[in-house]
Amino acid sequence: NFMLTQPHSVSESPGKTVTISCTRSSGDVASNYVQWYQQRPGNSPTTVIYEDNQRPSGVPDRFSGSIDRSSNSASLTISGLKTEDEADYYCQSYDNNDQVFGGGTKLTVL
Amino acid sequence: QVQLRESGPGLVKPSQTLSLSCSVSGDSITSGNYFWTWIRQAPGKGLEWIGFIFHSGTAYYNPSLRSRLNISLDTSKNRFSLSLTSVTAADTSVYFCARTYAVTTRIDVWGQGALVTVSS
Repeated sequence: NFMLTQPHSVSESPGKTVTISCTRSSGDVASNYVQWYQQRPGNSPTTVIYEDNQRPSGVPDRFSGSIDRSSNSASLTISGLKTEDEADYYCQSYDNNDQVFGGGTKLTVL
Repeated sequence: QVQLRESGPGLVKPSQTLSLSCSVSGDSITSGNYFWTWIRQAPGKGLEWIGFIFHSGTAYYNPSLRSRLNISLDTSKNRFSLSLTSVTAADTSVYFCARTYAVTTRIDVWGQGALVTVSS
């Protein structure tokens, strides 16, 4: 099957923009939707992006998602960073009856 | 509002079987739009998909766990269950049940999670 690779950690200052990548090891990233989940310590994950670039109601438009077939990757971009955005972020996709998560990225807003 | 809640022992001895149930409210596990899913997270680690089951009873498992794993439905109680045999300390995790939308594989509802520790 395939793997999704994320950076282990990223950090940025409040008000800035950060992008977290999620690279698919094999197969076409565009062949199955990518979701992004936010997980704060001690909590269950929540969806911030689904179907590559859709935001659930209640998620601010500071969060956006995209895919890039040239790099076979998906990206989560958070603009206007707030301290409340500090969390772990996971990408997730699917293929051949397997659901796959990226290893997660710890976002620090300092 | 759909809610999922995990239940089961919080402590399991090595080599024994880990059993958890997930009670579903606000939706029927017999509806055709969703996979009923188990995911785990070892302490300080990332999310790991365990497997899911469709309303038909067809289940799909993580290849790394397939030989020890069974996921089943209990339609009379509107719940689904996880059974993992021959556990070791490496199976110590928070176990989440979740609902996955079958068309896009988006996980749209999560349980609160249940910590299961494998220790003698």
